Amino acid sequence: NIVMTQSPKSMSISVGDRVTMNCKASQNVGNNIAWYQQKPGQSPKLLIYYASNRYTGVPDRFTGGGYGTDFTLTINSVQAEDAAFYYCQRIYNSPNTFGAGTKLELK
Amino acid sequence: AVQLVESGGGLVQPKESLKISCAASGFTFSNAAMYWVRQAPGKGLEWVARIRTKPNNYATYYADSVKGRFTISRDDSKSMVYLQMDNLKTEDTAMYYCTAGGGYPEYWGQGVMVTVSS
Repeated sequence: NIVMTQSPKSMSISVGDRVTMNCKASQNVGNNIAWYQQKPGQSPKLLIYYASNRYTGVPDRFTGGGYGTDFTLTINSVQAEDAAFYYCQRIYNSPNTFGAGTKLELK
Repeated sequence: AVQLVESGGGLVQPKESLKISCAASGFTFSNAAMYWVRQAPGKGLEWVARIRTKPNNYATYYADSVKGRFTISRDDSKSMVYLQMDNLKTEDTAMYYCTAGGGYPEYWGQGVMVTVSS
C-alpha cells in the first residue's frame, strides 16, 4: 500500500512569510493528490485537488505543485488564520491514504 | 447548500457492533463517491472506506485496519450512506466524518463520535 510522508511535522512562521510543506508518496501517484486544512474543532476543508487545482473559494496565496511522488503546498504571505494542520491525501484510486499532517503555527 | 449530517455514534463495548449513518443533501448524491474518514482524539486523519457510484457497480474499498470488520453501503433513493462496524476495537475510537465528491472528498460533514470502551 501507498505511504504518504509529510514534512516537516510542524513549523512556526511569522505573518507575511512564505511557507512550503512537502508530501512524498511511496510510489508514483501521478497528480492524484489533494491537500486539506483542518483547524481545531472543525472538519477538514479541501484546498487543492489533482496536485495543483485550487478549490472554489480558496485564496490564491495557496498553491499546490508536484507530480509523481513529490508534492508541495506553498502559502505565500501567511495570514494569522492560516494556523492549522495541513494534510495531503492520495485521491482518485484507493486506498485514499492520508499523510500524518503538518502543523503550522504562527509566531 | 451542501449538507452531510452524520448520526448514530455513541459508546459501545469492544467486540460489539454499531451502524452510523450520513444524510446528504444539496448535491446530486447518485453521482458522488462517498467516503468515511476518521480521526482518533489528538491524531491525524485516517481514510476508512469508499463506495463508488452505480455506473461503477457500487465498488467498495477499505483500509487494511478495518477490512473484514466494516461495511460501507449507500441508498441512492434516500441520499444516505452507512458504515456498519462489527467486532469493534478500542482503537476504533474516533470522530467519523462522512465525505463526498467525485475523485476526491470535496464535501465534509461535522462528524460523529464513536467510543469503544469497556
